[in-house]
Amino acid sequence: AQKITQTQPGMFVQEKEAVTLDCTYDTSDPSYGLFWYKQPSSGEMIFLIYQGSYDQQNATEGRYSLNFQKARKSANLVISASQLGDSAMYFCAMREGRGGYQKVTFGTGTKLQVIP
Amino acid sequence: SQTIHQWPATLVQPVGSPLSLECTVEGTSNPNLYWYRQAAGRGLQLLFYSVGIGQISSEVPQNLSASRPQDRQFILSSKKLLLSDSGFYLCAWSAVTEAFFGQGTRLTVV
Repeated sequence: AQKITQTQPGMFVQEKEAVTLDCTYDTSDPSYGLFWYKQPSSGEMIFLIYQGSYDQQNATEGRYSLNFQKARKSANLVISASQLGDSAMYFCAMREGRGGYQKVTFGTGTKLQVIP
Repeated sequence: SQTIHQWPATLVQPVGSPLSLECTVEGTSNPNLYWYRQAAGRGLQLLFYSVGIGQISSEVPQNLSASRPQDRQFILSSKKLLLSDSGFYLCAWSAVTEAFFGQGTRLTVV
């Protein structure tokens, strides 16, 4: 079974509009973390935002926010005021375990294209 | 600060040749280390992860192997490459709140 599911292979958004990228996860580990990464065409992985399973508040980092719905096991990324430079692949990932034992798995990604 | 080095950046290898990709981490000790592969336009597939020296977990049965001879060194190897081994290989290490990536190696098997 997939640990991380991203159901949107591609998305378009108008410049300056907000966009939501979907992510659902599956784990039985009570302690886990959720990440979002941006991958431009250069291939580098750019860390965007992190949400811990015990965090009460939704994480925010500038224009990025993570809509964490624990009961639904979803961790959607919201990008506000889209910019042309936001065009890239976006990956949702999950860390299971803490300390000495951790495993990080990724979803299949969503290709976001921002339209001028 | 923590840094992660991965080399080479690009590699073209003939089918049947061996492979060795190396990854080293600085600025942290006893990191959890990972090798991922990304096919063109696809997601990151977890190949191997390691929680300590000599401890390797394989996620996908394949033509590749991994070793961790030192605390901050992680090596991806193959004895005989296949065409299907082509892809973008990423090394990473994880802390609680972030995973840190190397720059990646673009491997083309011809």
